[in-house]
Amino acid sequence: GESVGLHLPTLSVQEGDNSIINCAYSNSASDYFIWYKQESGKGPQFIIDIRSNMDKRQGQRVTVLLNKTVKHLSLQIAATQPGDSAVYFCAENTGNQFYFGTGTSLTVIP
Amino acid sequence: GAGVSQSPSNKVTEKGKDVELRCDPISGHTALYWYRQSLGQGLEFLIYFQGNSAPDKSGLPSDRFSAERTGGSVSTLTIQRTQQEDSAVYLCASSLGPDRVEFFGPGTRLTVL
Repeated sequence: GESVGLHLPTLSVQEGDNSIINCAYSNSASDYFIWYKQESGKGPQFIIDIRSNMDKRQGQRVTVLLNKTVKHLSLQIAATQPGDSAVYFCAENTGNQFYFGTGTSLTVIP
Repeated sequence: GAGVSQSPSNKVTEKGKDVELRCDPISGHTALYWYRQSLGQGLEFLIYFQGNSAPDKSGLPSDRFSAERTGGSVSTLTIQRTQQEDSAVYLCASSLGPDRVEFFGPGTRLTVL
């Protein structure tokens, strides 16, 4: 199967700082990517997505960057807040199915 | 409801018993997925339904696992003769299609004693 991995399993940031969560994907044919946020005891929640014809997409306080050359995806969270503490998953899609990474646990220190 | 719902939210069962987990997808979503998530792990794909097509069962870990989707809407995941290693959170997701955003339910936490 496909493999989608994260560089760092845990990340701690001070409240107000920016956070960057990274993800490496293995299939160069993947053309659609999503970041999910999962809080304890809840299902994954959609944050932002990006298709392979783009290299950057911005949402509210979040930005996703896609580097197809090195098959790398990142999620940037601006002015991180305590409510951002969660596990973040990236997912890649080759047109038929999503493959999910194991996740990065983000802890925001007040 | 507006989102994906799953029931029960928690299920405790004894080893060897059968369990049924239910998923109500978002209305109009043709694709439905089941995943399993063990503590601290990523999402393990189990099965995928798309419209009236035959389901993709390639992720089911054993023949004790089965799922059906009636009328293209509600889905039931059945685990027969449960084992302790089946303990996990079972997540259901639905989407408008295979390359569209998947929206997840809250999951069912299964504990096999």
